[in-house]
Amino acid sequence: EPEVTQTPSHQVTQMGQEVILRCVPISNHLYFYWYRQILGQKVEFLVSFYNNEISEKSEIFDDQFSVERPDGSNFTLKIRSTKLEDSAMYFCATGRENTEAFFGQGTRLTVV
Amino acid sequence: QKEVEQDPGPLSVPEGAIVSLNCTYSNSAFQYFMWYRQYSRKGPELLMYTYSSGNKEDGRFTAQVDKSSKYISLFIRDSQPSDSATYLCAMRLNTGFQKLVFGTGTRLLVSP
Repeated sequence: EPEVTQTPSHQVTQMGQEVILRCVPISNHLYFYWYRQILGQKVEFLVSFYNNEISEKSEIFDDQFSVERPDGSNFTLKIRSTKLEDSAMYFCATGRENTEAFFGQGTRLTVV
Repeated sequence: QKEVEQDPGPLSVPEGAIVSLNCTYSNSAFQYFMWYRQYSRKGPELLMYTYSSGNKEDGRFTAQVDKSSKYISLFIRDSQPSDSATYLCAMRLNTGFQKLVFGTGTRLLVSP
């Protein structure tokens, strides 16, 4: 069964460093999303991406965050200068249509 | 008032019991309602998907939506220890891209 693949599974980074989280969507999916889940809290929407541009973003997704599909397959989330409060599980989700979202297993980001 | 409310549990039941999980919400514009299952440190897995009001059944799972009461439910029949997980409700508007709004999740424990 096809699945959304995320790498790395766990990333530890120092405060102020840049991190890039990677996602390989399910083939033929056109809609891409990033969500995050701080430990013990609910899953929160960050950004949606369609037709090579951001279609919607939350207040969390400030200038420190960016997304792109650099090679037409991978979908990446970049955090330019990480803060302690960026520590969370980051989930990529994709869908064929805008009515579905299949989640990857997540990247656990720890900022120290 | 939170946009989506969900009792965090834990909800402990014996194997074979019927489980009822619920969410309430405040935004009457929500039209799509989902239930996800999340195992510890894993990504959310889509279980059920309902548009507007009504019931939907899939195997041992039944999803109900009562838009007049802003209340959704997930029933699990003949619960199994493998059903032990956190169950997340999520919902979205009928317009735009799929920004899902999640509840905090209910932790379910099914004992053998």
